[in-house]
Amino acid sequence: AQTVTQSQPEMSVQEAETVTLSCTYDTSENNYYLFWYKQPPSRQMILVIRQEAYKQQNATENRFSVNFQKAAKSFSLKISDSQLGDTAMYFCASMSYQFYFGTGTSLTVIP
Amino acid sequence: EPEVTQTPSHQVTQMGQEVILRCVPISNHLYFYWYRQILGQKVEFLVSFYNNEISEKSEIFDDQFSVERPDGSNFTLKIRSTKLEDSAMYFCASSWEVGYEQYFGPGTRLTVT
Repeated sequence: AQTVTQSQPEMSVQEAETVTLSCTYDTSENNYYLFWYKQPPSRQMILVIRQEAYKQQNATENRFSVNFQKAAKSFSLKISDSQLGDTAMYFCASMSYQFYFGTGTSLTVIP
Repeated sequence: EPEVTQTPSHQVTQMGQEVILRCVPISNHLYFYWYRQILGQKVEFLVSFYNNEISEKSEIFDDQFSVERPDGSNFTLKIRSTKLEDSAMYFCASSWEVGYEQYFGPGTRLTVT
């Protein structure tokens, strides 16, 4: 089974600043995918960014980027120029055959 | 933009009753999923469904649960003889291919009393 660990249950950041959310995972699979999902107060899960494990290049999606360290099994999310709408729970997830989610990081953007 | 829909948004049921949660995945997606999230906890995978059969299931998905795609659009999760600990948000998701983005529905909040 895979495990996903998010060691920061809560974080806060000033509006317009940069914040990094950490995630580590454990898998024995060679082919897998990594994701960050955002869950705002409305509770709908929204994909933030996706990384294919066989790709060395870090994924980037506008203000969101990842630092994927395959050997260390680390997959952190960097949010640049934080906005109030970024306030949400952020879940890291890994997938080979099943999705495994971490316990989440609650991010608050402070105006 | 196409989206996954779920009905009802909130279901209250008595312990021991059967419930059916309904989902309409995105129309050209081939893979369908159910997840549950107990309040304040992480999202847990229940089951994936492809080509009219279960492709993966977790330990949570025991004989109490079943899934069905009764027609070309709906995807249902049936929970037989509900227990108090089944109270949770249940999310449906769909994707075009394994490993690609899963689009989540808004969830059904199930409350078992």
